[in-house]
Amino acid sequence: KNEVEQSPQNLTAQEGEFITINCSYSVGISALHWLQQHPGGGIVSLFMLSSGKKKHGRLIATINIQEKHSSLHITASHPRDSAVYICAALETSGSRLTFGEGTQLTVNP
Amino acid sequence: GAVVSQHPSRVICKSGTSVKIECRSLDFQATTMFWYRQFPKQSLMLMATSNEGSKATYEQGVEKDKFLINHASLTLSTLTVTSAHPEDSSFYICSARRWAVSNQPQHFGDGTRLSIL
Repeated sequence: KNEVEQSPQNLTAQEGEFITINCSYSVGISALHWLQQHPGGGIVSLFMLSSGKKKHGRLIATINIQEKHSSLHITASHPRDSAVYICAALETSGSRLTFGEGTQLTVNP
Repeated sequence: GAVVSQHPSRVICKSGTSVKIECRSLDFQATTMFWYRQFPKQSLMLMATSNEGSKATYEQGVEKDKFLINHASLTLSTLTVTSAHPEDSSFYICSARRWAVSNQPQHFGDGTRLSIL
């Protein structure tokens, strides 16, 4: 069992739909990252959060420390949101990130 | 704009060649940089942690003589794949975190796609 698990692995949506990607982790963490990786490979850090909720534009990230679960929501999805979304747990033991397998999101026009 | 610059973005070379990849933090100092390898359809795998002014810490199974890491300044780390072979073909990506600030996110480079013929 992976220490960080994401679901779903693949997600196809129509433009405008509300999207949720889930992440569960089993390690102790000091923070959790949500990352976006585009087809070219570059990675953008979307959020880093250790409690509660953060919002940036159409993106919302939440985390429940007690349940060891985080979600990434995309409102009014757009084809340009198509990418791989990765959650990564920053372990309390050090500085290393433990990555989930990623969720391939495709938003069709 | 990008805060971590990785160069080159793509390398195609013959087997036996050594390839150097640079990772620079553009507007901040980074005592620690991380080097990852990513296979198709898989997530990132940490290869080593690069510490400025000291030896890198390699993950289990990563050959330190094969993947040479140098972190000579607070803004530059390099990964050299020595005597590269086709099995070294992969996507390599670095990240950096601001110096002495543990609750800052890691910033990633755009990656280097290495193809060994």
